[in-house]
Parts: sequence; C-alpha cells; structure tokens
Amino acid sequence: SQQGEEDPQALSIQEGENATMNCSYKTSINNLQWYRQNSGRGLVHLILIRSNEREKHSGRLRVTLDTSKKSSSLLITASRAADTASYFCATDASGNQFYFGTGTSLTVIP
Amino acid sequence: DTAVSQTPKYLVTQMGNDKSIKCEQNLGHDTMYWYKQDSKKFLKIMFSYNNKELIINETVPNRFSPKSPDKAHLNLHINSLELGDSAVYFCASSQRTYSYEQYFGPGTRLTVT
Repeated sequence: SQQGEEDPQALSIQEGENATMNCSYKTSINNLQWYRQNSGRGLVHLILIRSNEREKHSGRLRVTLDTSKKSSSLLITASRAADTASYFCATDASGNQFYFGTGTSLTVIP
Repeated sequence: DTAVSQTPKYLVTQMGNDKSIKCEQNLGHDTMYWYKQDSKKFLKIMFSYNNKELIINETVPNRFSPKSPDKAHLNLHINSLELGDSAVYFCASSQRTYSYEQYFGPGTRLTVT
C-alpha cells in the first residue's frame, strides 16, 4: 500500500491565512519531499527535509519532520490565490522505495 | 529552455494498440523516472533508470517498458493498451536517485477507448 497519507484531503482558506497540511508515512525514510501540482501541470519541487532534520524553511514555506511519529507538516504562511494547487509529500524510504502521498487540494479564496 | 519535455501532450488510442511516449531532459541528470497519475490524482512510480540500473515497480505490467537511447532520453513503450491504462503519465529526472529533487515534465494524458 502507499507510503504517504495526507490530511486533509481538501482545504479551503481565505487569502492571507495560513495553510497547514500533514503527511504520515509508514516506514523509515531517508528524506521527505514536498511538491506542488497546479491543475493540469507537472509537479514542482518545493522543499526536501532529511531524516536527521526537524524543521526547514523556504520563503513562506515551513516544513517539520517528526520521525518518531512518522509524520511531516507543510505550513504555507500568508497564503495567496496563486498557492491554489495540490500538494504532495513524497518519501524516500529504506530499501530503495519512493512513494508519493495522496495529496491535499488547497484552494485559496481571494 | 524546457528542462523536462514530453511528447505527445495528449494521446488518444484504441484498446490493443501499441504506443510510445517520449521524454527528454536537458539538465544533465543521471536518473530519469516514469510516473502514472490516475483520475484520483494518485501518483505511482513506474520506473527509475540511470545508466547503471533499472528499478521497476513490481506492480507495473510487463506491457510497459522503458527504453533509454542515451542519458537524456527515457521513452515509455506500452503494448496492447487496455482501458485501465488511461491516465496522465509524467516523466521526471533528478541528479541522482530519490534523495534529490525531481524535475517533472508537463505530462501526457493517455486515453484508451
């Protein structure tokens, strides 16, 4: 079965609010990545966090990783309409396995 | 300037046909991938390939085969197409396998009728 489960499946917020999405996985990982997919487009890499890191920032993005709970969160601060997209976590798991999560569909209302 | 390109963007074909999707990357990456995204947006890796190793997802039917004429190209051949093969197929590349960010192509929407 798939490695990553994301929560919530869908999220709708007002522009300017923060958006938080969560990813849970099942086995040990080497790293975890977050990707964005705009409708009808390919995925775009956002951020990579390694298993020995707990938090990482990139612009308005903040990612946390808790390996003891096998979970990660992606926080987008001060959201914009252009942030409307699907967001996926992806895990580089032990044993040369790579899985994408189920995705969170984010809608930012102007 | 496109980093990862795929052709065609849309592909409509009948059951039983054989088709190919082409992928090219100009990033100088060592590893390329093929993914399938179904109607529920679930993404599954089908293959990862570098000049040394092909890793096949064991759930992929052997009707699917990757072919790499050189490091910059990884084409996907599909034999005896079935209705369930309808999906969006994405090519991607990365500097090395898995532990590096992947760059995705725009996708090929395959419809089997």
